[in-house]
Amino acid sequence: DIVMTQSPLSLPVTPGEPASISCRSNQSLLHSNGNNYLGWYLQKPGQSPQILIYLGSSRASGVPDRFSGSGSGTDFTLQISSVEAEDVGVYYCMQALQTTWTFGPGTKVELK
Amino acid sequence: EVQMVESGGGLVQPGESRRLSCVASGITFSNYWIHWVRQAPGKGLVWLSRMSPDGKDTSYAGSVRGRFILSRDNAKNTAYLQMSGLRVDDTAVYYCVSALDSSGYFDDWGQGTLVAVSS
Repeated sequence: DIVMTQSPLSLPVTPGEPASISCRSNQSLLHSNGNNYLGWYLQKPGQSPQILIYLGSSRASGVPDRFSGSGSGTDFTLQISSVEAEDVGVYYCMQALQTTWTFGPGTKVELK
Repeated sequence: EVQMVESGGGLVQPGESRRLSCVASGITFSNYWIHWVRQAPGKGLVWLSRMSPDGKDTSYAGSVRGRFILSRDNAKNTAYLQMSGLRVDDTAVYYCVSALDSSGYFDDWGQGTLVAVSS
């Protein structure tokens, strides 16, 4: 199985400031079709997860444009241009390249 | 409004079996892949299994392969996760998730059902 890692695992943020989370895989997630099969999910406290980014850099419908995804192959980044209080929670990356999918360990984002 | 509603959780003893159900509404169920994801208390998300819209393609995480079986009844808009040989470390909230394709885009999540394995 593909192993996903994230850093940092904990990220204190200040509202209005940018934030960045890194995700790495031990195998390339770049498909022969040119897409990176990497998604980002946010699980807010007490809620089910929700999608933010799919195929590495495509923002899901309804997701604020302060969220952006980048990267290719084995290295990916989720960026929040200006953190808002409602962005707290645990962020997970997930690979969907293989028939068995795997999540990263999660990055807990909380307000300073 | 799309709803994915899981049921069947509860307290089970180690070694026992349990079947979880997931009823979907608000979607054309037969068009969607169904996945199961679990989350142990205070821990991260773990992908478990997926089944294709026609039920012919199924895959499992290594941790549950051979013990868990995913099935579906498109006529009833329902998916099932049959769990056997349950272990203490299977204790988790189990989520049913729909996906229109295999891109990694999870469309809708249920609220989850808690399975607690303990003697």
